[in-house]
Amino acid sequence: DIQMTQSPSSLSASVGDRVTITCRASQTISKYLNWYQQKPGKAPKLLIYAASSLQSGVSSRFSGSGSGTDFALTISSLQPEDFATYYCQQSYSPPPMTFGQGTRLEIK
Amino acid sequence: QVQLVESGGGVVQPGRSLRLSCAASGFTFSSYGMHWVRQAPGKGLEWVAVIWYDGSNKYYADSVKGRFTISRDNSKNTLYLQMNSLRAEDTAVYYCAIEIAAATVYWGQGTLVTVSS
Repeated sequence: DIQMTQSPSSLSASVGDRVTITCRASQTISKYLNWYQQKPGKAPKLLIYAASSLQSGVSSRFSGSGSGTDFALTISSLQPEDFATYYCQQSYSPPPMTFGQGTRLEIK
Repeated sequence: QVQLVESGGGVVQPGRSLRLSCAASGFTFSSYGMHWVRQAPGKGLEWVAVIWYDGSNKYYADSVKGRFTISRDNSKNTLYLQMNSLRAEDTAVYYCAIEIAAATVYWGQGTLVTVSS
């Protein structure tokens, strides 16, 4: 199975900061990489699909990049509502549709 | 609008069974693959199972293979997860989700399963 490794596991940042979260696959997955945001007690929300495509209705301050094994999610200017946990997910060789372990983004 | 509503969670003793349901509306249910994903308390997301749009293929995580069965009734717009031989480590919130273009785009609100004696 393909393993997904996110870094960092947690991150403290301030409103207005630019933040980048990375995700590495254990083997090439082309651009089959999705990013999700999850807030406490809520279901995950799709932000980015196919590595760099912005899901409808998602703020343009979110962007994704990468292909092959290395990917990144960037938030251009953090807003208060962005403090949450973020997960990457590979969909290259499902099943399984493996998730990364998550990155918790906290307010500094 | 797309709506997924899970039900059937609760407290169950180890070794017993439980069946989860996911009622779908607002889209053509019979056209999409469906997933179950779970999240143990305070932990990350774990993919559990997927079923093809027509039920022709089903796949499971190694952690549930042989104990859980995913199924669907397209006439009732409902997805199921039959969970047998439950263990403490199966305690989690279980979400159903629709797969569109290789992403789990829409998710339900989740249903909590607690396995405890």
